[in-house]
Amino acid sequence: DGGITQSPKYLFRKEGQNVTLSCEQNLNHDAMYWYRQDPGQGLRLIYYSQIVNDFQKGDIAEGYSVSREKKESFPLTVTSAQKNPTAFYLCASSMREVGPQHFGDGTRLSIL
Amino acid sequence: GDSVTQMEGPVTLSEEAFLTINCTYTATGYPSLFWYVQYPGEGLQLLLKATKADDKGSNKGFEATYRKETTSFHLEKGSVQVSDSAVYFCALSFLGGATNKLIFGTGTLLAVQP
Repeated sequence: DGGITQSPKYLFRKEGQNVTLSCEQNLNHDAMYWYRQDPGQGLRLIYYSQIVNDFQKGDIAEGYSVSREKKESFPLTVTSAQKNPTAFYLCASSMREVGPQHFGDGTRLSIL
Repeated sequence: GDSVTQMEGPVTLSEEAFLTINCTYTATGYPSLFWYVQYPGEGLQLLLKATKADDKGSNKGFEATYRKETTSFHLEKGSVQVSDSAVYFCALSFLGGATNKLIFGTGTLLAVQP
């Protein structure tokens, strides 16, 4: 079955540490997205990529970085510069210009 | 800027009750509108969508009509079940635009009691 796989499901970060969240899709979608979900705030866009080797900042990109070396993969790194990283992170993908976004099951990041 | 406002929860209903979750939007242009559902500990699933004024999206007994004159996309279901308990998000997007990004409301928690 086609879909989006996020891993790990739970992740813990120590102070000063960078961590990387994985997102893989086998839907052959061009576009991929990362959202952050905090209680009572809905979802906010961190980064998005419309095509391989290209990506743009979303609304809350500070303290995060991404890469898009392969069409099916869009990993997100939460750097030590992100001072409040505790949240639920959701990856999504879509056909580049049409169609709604499909979401993975998320990664919950917590601070040790 | 573009935004989505939806009613605050939680909404608590008894099984077989009628459901309405209000959603209004502000947008420059003509967005597509969506309802997503999130079950505990999971990601979001697309519930229904509408791409132009007067379109009605429907799925699993849920319906929503794109009302341009009132800039609304209210979610309704005639008879809710316990299994409908989840968080519901209203969202807009400009499909075919530069980003296709989704702009979400804050979500409404629905709790259905047996």
